[in-house]
Amino acid sequence: GAVVSQHPSRVICKSGTSVKIECRSLDFQATTMFWYRQFPKQSLMLMATSNEGSKATYEQGVEKDKFLINHASLTLSTLTVTSAHPEDSSFYICSARKAPGGTGELFFGEGSRLTVL
Amino acid sequence: DAKTTQPNSMESNEEEPVHLPCNHSTISGTDYIHWYRQLPSQGPEYVIHGLTSNVNNRMASLAIAEDRKSSTLILHRATLRDAAVYYCILNNFGNEKLTFGTGTRLTIIP
Repeated sequence: GAVVSQHPSRVICKSGTSVKIECRSLDFQATTMFWYRQFPKQSLMLMATSNEGSKATYEQGVEKDKFLINHASLTLSTLTVTSAHPEDSSFYICSARKAPGGTGELFFGEGSRLTVL
Repeated sequence: DAKTTQPNSMESNEEEPVHLPCNHSTISGTDYIHWYRQLPSQGPEYVIHGLTSNVNNRMASLAIAEDRKSSTLILHRATLRDAAVYYCILNNFGNEKLTFGTGTRLTIIP
């Protein structure tokens, strides 16, 4: 069964509003989680690394004030898209590993599809 | 991390084996070869990974060339549920992040 869960799976919002997406590790603690974005017919693009108890690390070109990441507990990271606009419409996916080190399996959430009207 | 090259798309008949190639000529000695797949409208899922030796698990087999400059993901008996985009990713030991390329879109023909 799923070990990383996202909520909501789909969200539609009006332009200018903010949307929060939750990512939970269900049966393990994750000090690090990763947020990806995927546009239609394209590959996944890493947006940021969410670190429990500290600031997220953003990839080049990703606006940290636009995409707020909070990792307040070992099982929950949230991504808030602030003042969303139609160009922010995308498939947002989070992921985490059960063990650190980089060689093990990365578990992905089901994804959250954001549509901004 | 070094770059991988995969065909954009492949087709295979149902119940036949599928060999998905990946070239990674600039692989370093500490790069692991990972395969993930993404079914439509879902997050990716892990398939298999290896370093030097061939690997087998319940989902697939990974054949790694002796010089490690290429690898092949083998689905032994394709089903319709195997239709997905398959990503071959190199990840250096200790690097937590995975960087996805464009992958191979596999279509299974009934």
